[in-house]
Amino acid sequence: QLQLQESGPGLVKPSETLSLTCIVSGGSISSNDYYWGWIRQPPGKGLEWIGSVHYGGTTQYNPSLKSRVTVSVDTSKNQFSLRLMSLTAADTSVYYCARHPNCHVHTDCPFDFWGLGTLVTVSS
Amino acid sequence: DIQLTQSPSSLSASVGDRVTITCRASQGMSTHLAWFQQKPGKAPKSLIYGASSLQSGVPSKFSGSGSGTDFSLTISSLQPEDFATYYCQQYATYPFTFGGGTKVEIK
Repeated sequence: QLQLQESGPGLVKPSETLSLTCIVSGGSISSNDYYWGWIRQPPGKGLEWIGSVHYGGTTQYNPSLKSRVTVSVDTSKNQFSLRLMSLTAADTSVYYCARHPNCHVHTDCPFDFWGLGTLVTVSS
Repeated sequence: DIQLTQSPSSLSASVGDRVTITCRASQGMSTHLAWFQQKPGKAPKSLIYGASSLQSGVPSKFSGSGSGTDFSLTISSLQPEDFATYYCQQYATYPFTFGGGTKVEIK
């Protein structure tokens, strides 16, 4: 069974950079059929897609965050990562990693497997 | 970007009730819509994709319909484990977007 597990710091200072990693187990990240993405949810609020990456390195980003975000993949470790720069309190959220089918290959490409999520608080 | 508007934002219902949640898109998107259930402190769980196809393992009391700009999720007979927040998500175009959520509470 596919499992995704987020890891990273729970507390980051304003203006600093957040780095999170998602470790994929029970399946290979190196499949043309899938993209690997990040979604966040501020406490008590809704879901926001951040960006997604294909194992070949192709990325898609939310324009609202694109200037501050990098999503990358490490196939040798079967994991992918999120880097978010210039943090403010508004970036305080639960960050989820998730898989979705490759929309260039599949008609339907919704998120189908999710990690448990990790709370990141931006505070001095 | 495609904006998704869910209604209602919250509702109170009793066990056994039939409940319908709607999701309206700001532009047509065929059937490229999914529904998720989220319980407090948990990750979203996929229920429906392609507007009406049930994810594997999801009970048939959940059903989805719609195409273009108007979609709905129906729970045929609400059970205690169904009290949660429900989100729609479009994947017709990047950026992917989610509706604001509908919280289903116990009356």
